[in-house]
Amino acid sequence: EAGVAQSPRYKIIEKRQSVAFWCNPISGHATLYWYQQILGQGPKLLIQFQNNGVVDDSQLPKDRFSAERLKGVDSTLKIQPAKLEDSAVYLCASSPNFNEQYFGPGTRLTVT
Amino acid sequence: AQSVAQPEDQVNVAEGNPLTVKCTYSVSGNPYLFWYVQYPNRGLQFLLKYITGDNLVKGSYGFEAEFNKSQTSFHLKKPSALVSDSALYFCAVTTYSGGGADGLTFGKGTHLIIQP
Repeated sequence: EAGVAQSPRYKIIEKRQSVAFWCNPISGHATLYWYQQILGQGPKLLIQFQNNGVVDDSQLPKDRFSAERLKGVDSTLKIQPAKLEDSAVYLCASSPNFNEQYFGPGTRLTVT
Repeated sequence: AQSVAQPEDQVNVAEGNPLTVKCTYSVSGNPYLFWYVQYPNRGLQFLLKYITGDNLVKGSYGFEAEFNKSQTSFHLKKPSALVSDSALYFCAVTTYSGGGADGLTFGKGTHLIIQP
């Protein structure tokens, strides 16, 4: 079974630029999550999708972050404009039901 | 609001000795508890979970964890540590809202170092 795919793996941008991350969950998984992991901390949930609907985006900084999950499969997370404090690893995870979440390798973002 | 505490930033254990990585949680309602492991430059890997039933759960690579409701704890254990167990370990909690699995709330992580 193929795992959660994410791209790119690494991205370096300057502050005030925009960036987008892509996630392809495990086939058949209805629930998709985006987490932000700042160095030295545990991952923090940004947004949760159930199929193509948003279940929880209470911790998403909506003034600069946006996410969508078209057709209930792939998802894109965007940051516009980026700030220095957005430097982190962005993790995508998927889950088939109420069960463990499967994580992708993450995208390491560096904002300079 | 739910939270997870991992009181130790680092745990050092000699190879072959038993290991324990501590985790306590706070949640409204029934907790669903998980342990994940993260190796350098790798994604999070699932180790084990507690949903309901037996308080002692067994997981991957010989790890186990004990759910203690009165102490709100979910400590990770292994009878005999291996050098290859050295990694960053995260405890996480969530609840089931009826609409599906909620997002996980993670602790800050514990570095486990197994010395040969």
